[in-house]
Amino acid sequence: GNSVTQMEGPVTLSEEAFLTINCTYTATGYPSLFWYVQYPGEGLQLLLKATKADDKGSNKGFEATYRKETTSFHLEKGSVQVSDSAVYFCAFRRGATNKLIFGTGTLLAVQP
Amino acid sequence: EAQVTQNPRYLITVTGKKLTVTCSQNMNHEYMSWYRQDPGLGLRQIYYSMNVEVTDKGDVPEGYKVSRKEKRNFPLILESPSPNQTSLYFCASSRSRGQSNTEAFFGQGTRLTVV
Repeated sequence: GNSVTQMEGPVTLSEEAFLTINCTYTATGYPSLFWYVQYPGEGLQLLLKATKADDKGSNKGFEATYRKETTSFHLEKGSVQVSDSAVYFCAFRRGATNKLIFGTGTLLAVQP
Repeated sequence: EAQVTQNPRYLITVTGKKLTVTCSQNMNHEYMSWYRQDPGLGLRQIYYSMNVEVTDKGDVPEGYKVSRKEKRNFPLILESPSPNQTSLYFCASSRSRGQSNTEAFFGQGTRLTVV
């Protein structure tokens, strides 16, 4: 069935460290892929997206590339900041629907 | 400002006492949905609505009701809440028409505790 698998957290990093959060998906067809971020006490915000194979989504220094051959959409950032501490959700949506399928979320804690 | 507004933000209630969580969006979106967020399970869809008077079950609809009488509003109703409905709830809206890359906007969340 349709599902998203994210690496389990929490991920604890020092400021300016390199970040990778792995995400793989199982879906039929050609889904659109998303990363959402949830800051403490807030709702989810779209961080970046990619709609077709080999697309790279980017925003606020974060990047993720749609890899259809490995069904992956790993999130990366070269140098994290304390303000990046949040829960990150990988998600996808298939072409004809509006339903988002979410991973379980990965808590990132960045220490000064 | 484009936004999805949920109320209340926090609610503590007792088992069996009917409650409604309101959701309103100002973007004229056709599609609206409710999710619950639980540790280790991510977000799971409860109900969704493709447009006014069109609603359908999501993945975990048991114990919930919804209505869509107006385009902007999509309330979530718990007729007889139980402790296993203690969770963080999110309302979301987006454009419809089968466009797969339309952004979903989320409300701030409602933390519900049923004792």
